[in-house]
Amino acid sequence: EAQVTQNPRYLITVTGKKLTVTCSQNMNHEYMSWYRQDPGLGLRQIYYSMNVEVTDKGDVPEGYKVSRKEKRNFPLILESPSPNQTSLYFCASKRTGGPKLFFGSGTQLSVL
Amino acid sequence: GIQVEQSPPDLILQEGANSTLRCNFSDSVNNLQWFHQNPWGQLINLFYIPSGTKQNGRLSATTVATERYSLLYISSSQTTDSGVYFCAVDPNSGYALNFGKGTSLLVTP
Repeated sequence: EAQVTQNPRYLITVTGKKLTVTCSQNMNHEYMSWYRQDPGLGLRQIYYSMNVEVTDKGDVPEGYKVSRKEKRNFPLILESPSPNQTSLYFCASKRTGGPKLFFGSGTQLSVL
Repeated sequence: GIQVEQSPPDLILQEGANSTLRCNFSDSVNNLQWFHQNPWGQLINLFYIPSGTKQNGRLSATTVATERYSLLYISSSQTTDSGVYFCAVDPNSGYALNFGKGTSLLVTP
């Protein structure tokens, strides 16, 4: 089944403790992206990647890192999480030139 | 950047009713999509519709690109239609979708 898989689904952590949210897609998509969703703000893009080893900032990149060492994986790294990074995070992918974006199931992160 | 405004922000319907959701955008776009976020948080792609009209079962969408708006029609609504509907547009880069704040729909039995 074609899908974008995120893990974990829920995560509670404390301020300053490094964490990684994983994202993997099995559709051989070149493009991958991370969004965060906050009440009243909709979804905002954090980072995106056009292909392996190619990443760029979205609208709200501060406090986040990403890497794209393999085509299928695009992990989101929070080196020193803070409470304002408490949010619902989505990973998404699509093929280059293709319009439709496919989303993972989301990761609800709480930073205490 | 491009502004995306959705209306209404909230909508409550009785099962069987019809509804129209609107998305206005501030600049020309080459990509417009409608998504449904179900009560479990999953985002499902409903339509890719930068212009014209499409239908999928009880749902249909129309985008009038020259007037910078899109409409999502839901007919004979069901409780499973509940959730948040997002409009998202990409002005030209192909690198990012800009999302509206969504319309929260509750369909009651």
